[in-house]
Amino acid sequence: GAGVSQSPSNKVTEKGKDVELRCDPISGHTALYWYRQRLGQGLEFLIYFQGNSAPDKSGLPSDRFSAERTGESVSTLTIQRTQQEDSAVYLCASSLGSRPFGNGYTFGSGTRLTVV
Amino acid sequence: AQTVTQSQPEMSVQEAETVTLSCTYDTSENNYYLFWYKQPPSRQMILVIRQEAYKQQNATENRFSVNFQKAAKSFSLKISDSQLGDTAMYFCAFMVPSGTNNDMRFGAGTRLTVKP
Repeated sequence: GAGVSQSPSNKVTEKGKDVELRCDPISGHTALYWYRQRLGQGLEFLIYFQGNSAPDKSGLPSDRFSAERTGESVSTLTIQRTQQEDSAVYLCASSLGSRPFGNGYTFGSGTRLTVV
Repeated sequence: AQTVTQSQPEMSVQEAETVTLSCTYDTSENNYYLFWYKQPPSRQMILVIRQEAYKQQNATENRFSVNFQKAAKSFSLKISDSQLGDTAMYFCAFMVPSGTNNDMRFGAGTRLTVKP
C-alpha cells in the first residue's frame, strides 16, 4: 500500500481480555517495528522484524505480549490478559531493508488501546 | 546504553517567529543517524529532518534546520517562520546502524504550540 496501515484505529477492551493489533507495512518494506507510546511520553521500542524473523524481542514488556509477522507483510501484536497499564498508543513502522539509514522509518497512525 | 534527552516538555512561539527545540544524546558510537519527527494530533509520526553523524554540514529542509554539535552530543531543531500547522509533538531520535538491531531511540518529546 501507499503507507503503513494500522487497525483498529481505536480499541476499548475490558481488563483481562486479549487483543490483537494489526499492521500492514508499505509493500516491499522488509523491516517492521512496533513501538508503544504512553500518554504524554515518548516511544518505547517493543519488537523488530526483519522479514518474518524477529532478531530483537528485547522490548516486549512481559510474556503477555507477543508478535508475529507473515512473510514480509502483515504483523500482528497480541496482548493477552490486558491490564490497565497496557493502555497506550501502539505505533507500527516499516523501512526498506534492515538498514534504513537515510530515510528513517515510515510510521502508521497507531492504535489507541484503552483498557477499562 | 544509548539515550536521548529532550529537556523542554512544552514550548510556544508566535506565528512567523523562530523557535529552537533542544536534544542531547549519549553514545559511545562514532557512526550514527539523528532524526527529528513531528507528531500532530493525527498521531502519525512524520519525518522532519535527518542528519548523518559523519557529515559536518548541518541539515536543512525548507524552514527546518538543525544545529548538530557532535562533540557536545547536541542536535537542536530550529523552525523558522513558524506556522500554525507546526503545532505538534516533536521527537528527537537516534539510530546506530547495525545488522541485527536497528531500533530507533526516541526522546520524550517536546509539545510545540504556535500561537496566532
